[in-house]
Amino acid sequence: RKEVEQDPGPFNVPEGATVAFNCTYSNSASQSFFWYRQDCRKEPKLLMSVYSSGNEDGRFTAQLNRASQYISLLIRDSKLSDSATYLCVFYSSYKLIFGSGTRLLVRP
Amino acid sequence: EPEVTQTPSHQVTQMGQEVILRCVPISNHLYFYWYRQILGQKVEFLVSFYNNEISEKSEIFDDQFSVERPDGSNFTLKIRSTKLEDSAMYFCASSEGTGDSPLHFGNGTRLTVT
Repeated sequence: RKEVEQDPGPFNVPEGATVAFNCTYSNSASQSFFWYRQDCRKEPKLLMSVYSSGNEDGRFTAQLNRASQYISLLIRDSKLSDSATYLCVFYSSYKLIFGSGTRLLVRP
Repeated sequence: EPEVTQTPSHQVTQMGQEVILRCVPISNHLYFYWYRQILGQKVEFLVSFYNNEISEKSEIFDDQFSVERPDGSNFTLKIRSTKLEDSAMYFCASSEGTGDSPLHFGNGTRLTVT
C-alpha cells in the first residue's frame, strides 16, 4: 500500500461550487498532517494544517479521521483562483511525505 | 514575510558535470530540506538537515549527492556527476522545528541535464 494516496482528478467544477478531496495514509503513527497547494511549475505552499478536531480557514475546511486513516479538504464557494493541485502531506520521521496531488479546475 | 530563496532559478548542465544548488533558508529556522520534483511527478524527499548533520536521507540521495551549510545562512545541494535522470525541479525548504512545524519552500531551481 502506498504511504499516501490521492485521487489525481482533475475535478472540474463551476465557480461557486463546493468540492471535497480525500486522502488516505498508511502510517498509523503519523501525527501531523497538512494540505499544500501547488500551482503549475511552482513550489508547494502551505494551505493549512489539519488538526484532530477539524479546522476551518475561511472557505477551506480540513478534517482528520484517524480511525479510517484519511484526511479531507472541503472548499466552499470555489473561485477561479482555487485552480491548482492540492497535495496531501503528512509528517514522518524528520520529513514530510507528499501525495501525488489532486488537480482542481474551476471554470467560469 | 520571510521566505526561502534559491539560486539559480534555472541551471543547464552537461551529463557528468558537477552542480551546486544554493538556498538561503528563513533565518530563525533550524531544519533544512531538499526535495525534488521530476516533471509531472510528485514531490520527493531527498534529505533533511539539522545541527550541521543529515537527519535523514532517501534512497535517491546516493553518494552523488551531498549537502552543506558552509556558513550561517547558505544551505547547498551538490550533485557530483549529473545524470540525465537528475533533471528535475529542486526545492529547498526550512522549518522552525519538526512534527507540527510546516515546511516553507523556496521557488525552486530547475535543473536540466543534457
